[in-house]
Amino acid sequence: SAVISQKPSRDICQRGTSLTIQCQVDSQVTMMFWYRQQPGQSLTLIATANQGSEATYESGFVIDKFPISRPNLTFSTLTVSNMSPEDSSIYLCSVGGIGTGTGYTFGSGTRLTVV
Amino acid sequence: AQKITQTQPGMFVQEKEAVTLDCTYDTSDQSYGLFWYKQPSSGEMIFLIYQGSYDEQNATEGRYSLNFQKARKSANLVISASQLGDSAMYFCAMREGQGDYKLSFGAGTTVTVRA
Repeated sequence: SAVISQKPSRDICQRGTSLTIQCQVDSQVTMMFWYRQQPGQSLTLIATANQGSEATYESGFVIDKFPISRPNLTFSTLTVSNMSPEDSSIYLCSVGGIGTGTGYTFGSGTRLTVV
Repeated sequence: AQKITQTQPGMFVQEKEAVTLDCTYDTSDQSYGLFWYKQPSSGEMIFLIYQGSYDEQNATEGRYSLNFQKARKSANLVISASQLGDSAMYFCAMREGQGDYKLSFGAGTTVTVRA
């Protein structure tokens, strides 16, 4: 299975600012996914990041708020823009698709607190 | 409609005993995959076990086994010989169809192992 390095692991940010989260994979993967986990909740998919094309966003998530980059097959970033306390969550990246096997690996997560 | 249903918000289990976590799913696809993940308090998502819809045998990985009942659309996780380190949140997830690798997650079940 792919190994994902995600950073930062945690951050405390001021409202109105932006934070960029990075995920680096140790092998080339077709798809990368970004999930949000609000406190006490399950994981919700934000978007699918495809190399060479625009990310595909799920209902309720927009590019202006969560811009995503996917410059190559091993790297992606998620930016949480103009943050408010409601954005306080764990953000996780994951990989899937051809070459990733059946165990969809997750990054270690970014625990974001907005104050 | 919920695609993944986990009806047990929390469970207590005695050390060295077995515990079964329930998961039912809803899909009209013939090809799908079912996953179980463990999330300790650190927040990382740890892949435990995978069951493909066409797999005839129930999946097993060490102390984890998946009781797959296709007609009932259930995929229960059995943890045998529970250890204190098994205390965590457990999520059931599903991938639907072919070519779409995003996961839908259930609400999760918190397992607490007592000494």
